[in-house]
Amino acid sequence: DTEVTQTPKHLVMGMTNKKSLKCEQHMGHRAMYWYKQKAKKPPELMFVYSYEKLSINESVPSRFSPECPNSSLLNLHLHALQPEDSALYLCASSQLLKRIGDTQYFGPGTRLTVL
Amino acid sequence: DQQVKQNSPSLSVQEGRISILNCDYTNSMFDYFLWYKKYPAEGPTFLISISSIKDKNEDGRFTVFLNKSAKHLSLHIVPSQPGDSAVYFCAASGAAGNNRKLIWGLGTSLAVNP
Repeated sequence: DTEVTQTPKHLVMGMTNKKSLKCEQHMGHRAMYWYKQKAKKPPELMFVYSYEKLSINESVPSRFSPECPNSSLLNLHLHALQPEDSALYLCASSQLLKRIGDTQYFGPGTRLTVL
Repeated sequence: DQQVKQNSPSLSVQEGRISILNCDYTNSMFDYFLWYKKYPAEGPTFLISISSIKDKNEDGRFTVFLNKSAKHLSLHIVPSQPGDSAVYFCAASGAAGNNRKLIWGLGTSLAVNP
């Protein structure tokens, strides 16, 4: 089973709203990732968690706040977003963080629209 | 600077024929390469990978070839099926520092025509 689930599938929010994206995996993976993907572009890495600790923050604006409550869950809290933040937000996981390029398994994504 | 290049933005192939997707890289520190397939509005799906100690890896209809001296890899799909129509991303990583991250190509959109 290589399933990563994400909720919600779609999200529309205003610039003053606070919302959260959720990601879950039950593969026993200890590394989890948030990516942002715009149309016709490859995924852009945002955050990496290893053993529930933030390992990498790719200079992401503070209006995006990640959280890893346990080894199976990863959240992305959103606040005061801009319309240009509209994108597909992808969660991924991999067995370990020996290297970030280890085989990552992606969820279906949350399509976020900021009005 | 694009370290992983997929020079063909699109490719069209007849059903049953071979699809060959190409990828070039510039960073000699890359030692692990992956192919992902992506349908619109979905997350990428891992297809196949290859380590730099190998020159070929096969999984069913998918074969990846690596030519380290040319810094080139290719994904062969045979026979191609209409369900293979998607965007294919090549990605690469190395063992240390910034090379540990997955570096992605811009993708090749494959259309398999019935």
